[in-house]
Amino acid sequence: DIQMTQSPSTLSASVGDTVTITCRASQSVSFWLAWYQQKPGKAPKLLIYKASNLESGVPSRFRGSGSGTEFTLTISSLQPDDFATYYCHQFNNYPWTFGQGTKVEIK
Amino acid sequence: QITLKESGPTLVKPTQTLTLTCTVSGFSLTTSGVGVGWVRQPPGKTLEWIALIYWDDDKRYSPSLKSRLTITKDTSREQVVLSMTNMDHVDTATYFCAYMVRGVMRFDPRGQGTLVTVSS
Repeated sequence: DIQMTQSPSTLSASVGDTVTITCRASQSVSFWLAWYQQKPGKAPKLLIYKASNLESGVPSRFRGSGSGTEFTLTISSLQPDDFATYYCHQFNNYPWTFGQGTKVEIK
Repeated sequence: QITLKESGPTLVKPTQTLTLTCTVSGFSLTTSGVGVGWVRQPPGKTLEWIALIYWDDDKRYSPSLKSRLTITKDTSREQVVLSMTNMDHVDTATYFCAYMVRGVMRFDPRGQGTLVTVSS
């Protein structure tokens, strides 16, 4: 199985900050990586697919980059609605796998 | 508008079989490239991909669960059914279904999944 490792596990930030979450794969997943946002009691919401493609309707302050084994999700000018948990997900190889999550909390 | 709705029991006993149904609308289960996947999330933990079924009835399972899983689709009812045998306490989780196109899973934004508790 491909292991997905996110860092940090928790991130404290303020509204207006720019934050970056890193996701590393134990082997190359090419660009077959997605980022999801999840809030308590809700289904995950797709933000980014194929490493850098912004999902329709998602604000442009979300940006994904990377390929191979290292990926980043950058959120510019953090908004109150952005405080949530973020997961990376590889769909290059079965079994598909997720990172352990990064919780973005209010400082 | 694409919708997916999970349904099934909220409580099952250890060793029992869990059957979950994902009822979809807004797309066809037979459209080329389309699939429906299942993902679960134990309380306070990360997401785990379980299984998916493609438009052409190709099926994929998580190897760690494969011996216990069966995924099927009923195109006339627009439903995807996931069965998991021999349930255990560690299978307690919220189960989500997702719409998949070219590998990209999208969950119903109105969805909450279905919480299944395994307890005697």
